[in-house]
Amino acid sequence: GEDVEQSLFLSVREGDSSVINCTYTDSSSTYLYWYKQEPGAGLQLLTYIFSNMDMKQDQRLTVLLNKKDKHLSLRIADTQTGDSAIYFCAEEGYSTLTFGKGTMLLVSP
Amino acid sequence: DTAVSQTPKYLVTQMGNDKSIKCEQNLGHDTMYWYKQDSKKFLKIMFSYNNKELIINETVPNRFSPKSPDKAHLNLHINSLELGDSAVYFCASSPDLEFNTEAFFGQGTRLTVV
Repeated sequence: GEDVEQSLFLSVREGDSSVINCTYTDSSSTYLYWYKQEPGAGLQLLTYIFSNMDMKQDQRLTVLLNKKDKHLSLRIADTQTGDSAIYFCAEEGYSTLTFGKGTMLLVSP
Repeated sequence: DTAVSQTPKYLVTQMGNDKSIKCEQNLGHDTMYWYKQDSKKFLKIMFSYNNKELIINETVPNRFSPKSPDKAHLNLHINSLELGDSAVYFCASSPDLEFNTEAFFGQGTRLTVV
């Protein structure tokens, strides 16, 4: 079945780059997503990438997709303390989304 | 104003009971969802509901039934609760069925079945 794996925790200093990695199993996924969950809030769509793309850049965010290895990464440049949150990657199947367990990003001053 | 709100936030109930979780969105979206986050933290979609059309995930037991009195509400009814139903349930909404449009999630309802 579908499965999405990501590391559980990442700690960086303010101003550094953060890279959150994710592996997925469904090679037929058309889109892959990154969601952000801030403390006490629901999930919010951060960015997404179409499966025929290798890279997508959106301001401080860069999404890299290696379809051969089924590996997705999210790079946050110039990480700020406000970026501290849990980041979920998700793969899209038929009328469904499967999420990973989430990576907690902690940004220290 | 909260975009997607669900109640209650916490629900503790005994096995065999029937319970409901309510969800409301004030975004004018056409599509609403219910997700289940199990003990292993995987978040999986249960249902999507688009303009009165229910799209069912076949892995969801029949004891779970969504009910939408109108476009802004999608409630989740669970009959004959079982221990394995304990999880966090998230409601979400989006403008349409395409996942690559912005989706808003509620804060979740932690259901504990004892």
